[in-house]
Amino acid sequence: SSELTQDPAVSVALGQTVRITCQGDSLRSYYASWYQQKPGQAPVLVIYGKNNRPSGIPDRFSGSSSGNTASLTITGAQAEDEADYYCNSRDSSGNLVVFGGGTKLTVL
Amino acid sequence: QVQLVESGGGLVKPGGSLRLSCAASGFTFSDYYMSWIRQAPGKGLEWVSYISSSGSTIYYADSVKGRFTISRDNAKNSLYLQMNSLRAEDTAVYYCARAAVDIVATSFDYWGQGTLVTVSS
Repeated sequence: SSELTQDPAVSVALGQTVRITCQGDSLRSYYASWYQQKPGQAPVLVIYGKNNRPSGIPDRFSGSSSGNTASLTITGAQAEDEADYYCNSRDSSGNLVVFGGGTKLTVL
Repeated sequence: QVQLVESGGGLVKPGGSLRLSCAASGFTFSDYYMSWIRQAPGKGLEWVSYISSSGSTIYYADSVKGRFTISRDNAKNSLYLQMNSLRAEDTAVYYCARAAVDIVATSFDYWGQGTLVTVSS
């Protein structure tokens, strides 16, 4: 299997842009998906595939990828975006699934 | 609307067994891969297992392989996780999730609210 690495914590000023990254060898072959999780709630998918948003996810959320790094960008962060964010992808074998350790986003 | 409702969690002693269930509604269950994902208290998400739409393809995380068994009953729109030889480190909220699988990605587009499994003597 392979690992996905995320920064444990990131902060952003209200209304500013923030990028949350996810690194791993398997990201050279597979897309990452991104999830938002607020305290006491189940995770919610916010980005999947190349850069797709499920219905109901604001367009301030976007995804990108380069080499072994996938990124989730929030353009104009809002107070309600404060949450934990997780990436996931397949492992290098393509058979298993891996999650990153999560990034706690604080909106100042 | 899509709904996933887990049940079967609870307190169990180390070495014991538990069977989780997930009742699905609001979509054609037999068309989708399904997965179990867990989250230990205060920790991150950990993928546990997934099963293909027909049940013919199954994979497990190394941490549960040989102890847990995933299964599904498409006639009952239900997903299951049989957990044996439970350890303290299996203590977590267990989520049932619908999987979207293609050649280059696996994502989980709908999640249940989770069921808590506590392994303690």
